[in-house]
Amino acid sequence: DAKTTQPNSMESNEEEPVHLPCNHSTISGTDYIHWYRQLPSQGPEYVIHGLTSNVNNRMASLAIAEDRKSSTLILHRATLRDAAVYYCILRAYNTNAGKSTFGDGTTLTVKP
Amino acid sequence: KAGVTQTPRYLIKTRGQQVTLSCSPISGHRSVSWYQQTPGQGLQFLFEYFSETQRNKGNFPGRFSGRQFSNSRSEMNVSTLELGDSALYLCASSPGLNYNEQFFGPGTRLTVL
Repeated sequence: DAKTTQPNSMESNEEEPVHLPCNHSTISGTDYIHWYRQLPSQGPEYVIHGLTSNVNNRMASLAIAEDRKSSTLILHRATLRDAAVYYCILRAYNTNAGKSTFGDGTTLTVKP
Repeated sequence: KAGVTQTPRYLIKTRGQQVTLSCSPISGHRSVSWYQQTPGQGLQFLFEYFSETQRNKGNFPGRFSGRQFSNSRSEMNVSTLELGDSALYLCASSPGLNYNEQFFGPGTRLTVL
């Protein structure tokens, strides 16, 4: 499975934008880029996903490099509730690849 | 809709015992995946079930097994427990295979003494 690389930790101030990077240089053409986050004492929560084009939803934006070897999750205005571990994962689109390979994730700390 | 539920939430076992964990997916979801989360190894995929059939399996020994019932509920079993099996076991469901979003349950915290 293609792997992802993320920084171990990042800090942000409340109400400022946060850019969380992810490298996936071995991504294949059928891999979707997904982001999940895990708040303390909870299971992971879906944030956003994309294939080639940048994506926006109510939670965040996903910017995907033209060569697809990296992506950035953008939280436009960080709140204290956004403090979590953020996982960037690749999920292949074919019938026998439902499993997801989670990396170590980035621990985001949001300072008031 | 109710979310993914896992039972029990906490479990303490001793080495050599076996354990069964249960997962009830969101109503209408047919795919269930299991993950093990430990501080040292992070979140690791165990297996995925769809329509009562195991579709994918991670790199875990045969002591880890699972099954899915016709109502999509799933169980995983760990036999001959080892200290290293202490972990948070997470279940995730999605409407089908290759669906874009997985919905995770709160997990079962297993402690092996």
